[in-house]
Amino acid sequence: QQQVRQSPQSLTVWEGETAILNCSYENSAFDYFPWYQQFPGEGPALLIAIRSVSDKKEDGRFTIFFNKREKKLSLHITDSQPGDSATYFCAASGIASSSFSKLVFGQGTSLSVVP
Amino acid sequence: GGIITQTPKFLIGQEGQKLTLKCQQNFNHDTMYWYRQDSGKGLRLIYYSITENDLQKGDLSEGYDASREKKSSFSLTVTSAQKNEMAVFLCASSIGDEQYFGPGTRLTVL
Repeated sequence: QQQVRQSPQSLTVWEGETAILNCSYENSAFDYFPWYQQFPGEGPALLIAIRSVSDKKEDGRFTIFFNKREKKLSLHITDSQPGDSATYFCAASGIASSSFSKLVFGQGTSLSVVP
Repeated sequence: GGIITQTPKFLIGQEGQKLTLKCQQNFNHDTMYWYRQDSGKGLRLIYYSITENDLQKGDLSEGYDASREKKSSFSLTVTSAQKNEMAVFLCASSIGDEQYFGPGTRLTVL
């Protein structure tokens, strides 16, 4: 059972365009939603995260829009650059204890930004 | 800041072989994790450990053992490698919600 789903599986945009990556989830208990960026040959790196009490989180060119009622969120990358070409994972977890946070990952979206 | 180191970077094994992957972190985080990453399938949790000598099974623990002998290190053993298996094994550590990942070990079984 896939609890976190991402779409599209792959996305190509031109340099300067806005890339929109989508994520949906099933478990109403999920409270924390990080997005990870992974370059080939490297491990995932935390890019930006949002909690369910917020509907928007912005960090430079990266913005998360969150809709709790529909259990959907999206990552917007404005002014996309070739260096943004990577795989992006949406993840979700319930309220973390001080010692443990179980993340459920989506299957990833592969983004290509064409110069 | 800190870093997570995984060894080896590439691992080639034979069918039925027992293989061990190692992970070290200098964040001084209590909790460490092992994930398996298959192409197009995201990351799946194999084992985690919330403190030295603690081990907890994840969703994909069958066929694997783990060991946490000290706070900074976490090892994963593939008990019997499966023919044609190819995957990336990722180690992570965390404080609160935030997990930090190592670069991965790429396993190929001939």
